[in-house]
Amino acid sequence: SYELTQPPSVSVSPGQTASITCSGDKLGDKYACWYQQKPGQSPVLVIYQDRKRPSGIPERFSGSNSGNTATLTISGTQAVDEADYYCQAWDSIVVFGGGTKLTVL
Amino acid sequence: QVTLKESGPVLVKPTETLTLTCTVSGFSLSNARMAVNWIRQPPGKALEWLAHIFSNDEKSYSTSLKSRLTISKDTSKSQVVLTMINMDPVDTATYYCARITILEGGMDVWGQGTTVTVSS
Repeated sequence: SYELTQPPSVSVSPGQTASITCSGDKLGDKYACWYQQKPGQSPVLVIYQDRKRPSGIPERFSGSNSGNTATLTISGTQAVDEADYYCQAWDSIVVFGGGTKLTVL
Repeated sequence: QVTLKESGPVLVKPTETLTLTCTVSGFSLSNARMAVNWIRQPPGKALEWLAHIFSNDEKSYSTSLKSRLTISKDTSKSQVVLTMINMDPVDTATYYCARITILEGGMDVWGQGTTVTVSS
């Protein structure tokens, strides 16, 4: 079955750029999306179709997807961005990555 | 305003069957551009996709849980129902329903989740 692999954790200093990767076989041939989840809350879609932002998502969130890797980039990271982030793709079925805990130090 | 709300038992016993209902508002389950998913999250763990159903009643299931899951919908009631048989303590989790827009591929609206504990 299809699998998506994320690093368990990423740390970033406030104001710096955070990059979270998501790897899967020929992931670039599929659409990737990303969710942000804060403790005790439901996930929120932050990127869809590899690089598009839903209404209300800050411009500092961006995405890319090529080859076997999709990347979520947060520019000018703020303390409020500290959360778990999950990638998701749609093969024959829906698949989530294992999640990445973003710590803003 | 689009909303989804999960409902179901808080506690089930091992071997019992879990039935969860997702009641949607603000869109129709007959909308061909959308589908409704079920996702779960054990305490402290990652999201796990379970199943989804489309307007034409097409269904897909998680490969690992396919034998235990059934998803269905009642368009007139705006409800999507998930049943999971033979519950086990490892199935303890928060269960979410979420709408996915087919062309965009992202789950743009999620319910608040319902926590299910499996224990005797």
